[in-house]
Amino acid sequence: ETGVTQSPTHLIKTRGQQVTLRCSSQSGHNTVSWYQQALGQGPQFIFQYYREEENGRGNFPPRFSGLQFPNYSSELNVNALELDDSALYLCASSLEPAATNEKLFFGSGTQLSVL
Amino acid sequence: QQQVKQSPQSLIVQKGGISIINCAYENTAFDYFPWYQQFPGKGPALLIAIRPDVSEKKEGRFTISFNKSAKQFSLHIMDSQPGDSATYFCAATDNYGQNFVFGPGTRLSVLP
Repeated sequence: ETGVTQSPTHLIKTRGQQVTLRCSSQSGHNTVSWYQQALGQGPQFIFQYYREEENGRGNFPPRFSGLQFPNYSSELNVNALELDDSALYLCASSLEPAATNEKLFFGSGTQLSVL
Repeated sequence: QQQVKQSPQSLIVQKGGISIINCAYENTAFDYFPWYQQFPGKGPALLIAIRPDVSEKKEGRFTISFNKSAKQFSLHIMDSQPGDSATYFCAATDNYGQNFVFGPGTRLSVLP
């Protein structure tokens, strides 16, 4: 087990709605990254938070936003859901933000379906 | 240029055989190349990783071969076992990157 937990495990929403996904990182890990994994694809980087501030962002629109809290928990918020947002959303925690030599500890993900 | 290409898309190997998965990249700034293993219903887990200053790294039955001039690297699984059946992702990042760029994945099935 990675020590990273995500909730809920599955979620069904309709187009236009808003959703909040939650992640609890490993204790002591200051960095959390969120990835979107479409069916049959590799994970795609959404953004990273380090010590409660956004520390990098992939090619995702502003309706994808996040928060990181001092207790090693974090949130991914998606507004105005679109059908293409249907995917597995993974959070990954690490000690430090730099990717090189940092082992990412992934949670099992939240499967989001947008109807 | 940020893309990592991966092949094959799926692979079927007999128990005891060798599984080989290949990846290629374009961005010469990439300098860290991990492989992740993902079982159904689970997140990816780090399997093995390599930096381009070595051409090969071996951990147990898993070996990464790296060809810097060709910008290619591969994962070899020796003596493949049914428990190795999973999806494998190669990935890459540069020294200052916050994120990994993942390949599209290879679904490996090892037949008993």
